[in-house]
Amino acid sequence: QKEVEQDPGPLSVPEGAIVSLNCTYSNSAFQYFMWYRQYSRKGPELLMYTYSSGNKEDGRFTAQVDKSSKYISLFIRDSQPSDSATYLCAADTGRRALTFGSGTRLQVQP
Amino acid sequence: GAGVSQSPSNKVTEKGKDVELRCDPISGHTALYWYRQSLGQGLEFLIYFQGNSAPDKSGLPSDRFSAERTGGSVSTLTIQRTQQEDSAVYLCASTPGGSGSEQFFGPGTRLTVL
Repeated sequence: QKEVEQDPGPLSVPEGAIVSLNCTYSNSAFQYFMWYRQYSRKGPELLMYTYSSGNKEDGRFTAQVDKSSKYISLFIRDSQPSDSATYLCAADTGRRALTFGSGTRLQVQP
Repeated sequence: GAGVSQSPSNKVTEKGKDVELRCDPISGHTALYWYRQSLGQGLEFLIYFQGNSAPDKSGLPSDRFSAERTGGSVSTLTIQRTQQEDSAVYLCASTPGGSGSEQFFGPGTRLTVL
């Protein structure tokens, strides 16, 4: 079993929809949680960074971490075609090397 | 300011040849990481540098893989006697020391072993 599990998709939604992306993890030592966005043939770009449980909002993006259920979520409001990319969740125990999910490919249809 | 840069962007090599991949981290970032991303997969950790030392090499898949970092800056990942299963995108990330886990990634080197 991988330490971070993520549905690979693809997920296709119409423009303006609310998108929900999710990951589960198994390592209780994870304390830091991140979401990265990766466009085709580009490096991952940090979107959201959360320490421990709770919510964090940044513009159209909201990240949620529920450590009791080991569940990580990213919500995208008013999705745009430019949001079409692969979204990677990642977690860290604090030893600095990130453990990534396999990524969910999102397609926002205009 | 300048982000993490990697070179070459693409590398095609023949099975059995050695390759060197280069990473230039963001200036002043003391920690540097190498990851590998195979087609349709997430990122797999390879090695971590703090300054010029590598306290965590646990992700290197075999002794054909090695890496070094000099001057607390540039890092080189070397793969000897390449195999077809080494084909992947090799990504480098850097982070300022002590600022948590916000890693900034380069664009990657796409390695194809024929």
